[in-house]
Amino acid sequence: EAGVAQSPRYKIIEKRQSVAFWCNPISGHATLYWYQQILGQGPKLLIQFQNNGVVDDSQLPKDRFSAERLKGVDSTLKIQPAKLEDSAVYLCASSSTVSGANVLTFGAGSRLTVL
Amino acid sequence: RKEVEQDPGPFNVPEGATVAFNCTYSNSASQSFFWYRQDCRKEPKLLMSVYSSGNEDGRFTAQLNRASQYISLLIRDSKLSDSATYLCVVDSWGKLQFGAGTQVVVTP
Repeated sequence: EAGVAQSPRYKIIEKRQSVAFWCNPISGHATLYWYQQILGQGPKLLIQFQNNGVVDDSQLPKDRFSAERLKGVDSTLKIQPAKLEDSAVYLCASSSTVSGANVLTFGAGSRLTVL
Repeated sequence: RKEVEQDPGPFNVPEGATVAFNCTYSNSASQSFFWYRQDCRKEPKLLMSVYSSGNEDGRFTAQLNRASQYISLLIRDSKLSDSATYLCVVDSWGKLQFGAGTQVVVTP
């Protein structure tokens, strides 16, 4: 089974620039998540999709972050304009349901450095 | 108060020893619980689910205490390869909350 694909793996930008990350989940996984992980912290949910609908985006800074999941498969996460505090790893995950529980499979992540 | 709390460690463990650590959660309605393992600069990976009756997977044992609202992970006969950060995950009606992780360092 192919895993969750993410790109780019690394990105360095200056503050106020924009950046976009792409994610392709495991085939057949209806639920897709974007997490932000700052060094030394646990992953923080930014947005959760069920097919192409948003389930939870309560922690997404909507003034600068946007995400979409067209056709219920691939997803993109955009930051515009970036701030220094956005430096983090952006993890995409998709989930299957095992015995009624959501089990996440993560991609390798996109590491963003904002200078 | 954070919804999911973990002792950040590090827990320095001699090879072959046993180490155990807990994770507390605040939402009493939480339904499912997991331990994920995250190696340095890698993505988290599922280690094991935590069942009400407790469960074991080789050298790893997970326990759930609903009354006191915590889960635990015990690693027996620690290997150097067990060095990692262990993330506690709590599922409350489909909303997954991660702890900040507990770092374990196994030394020769």
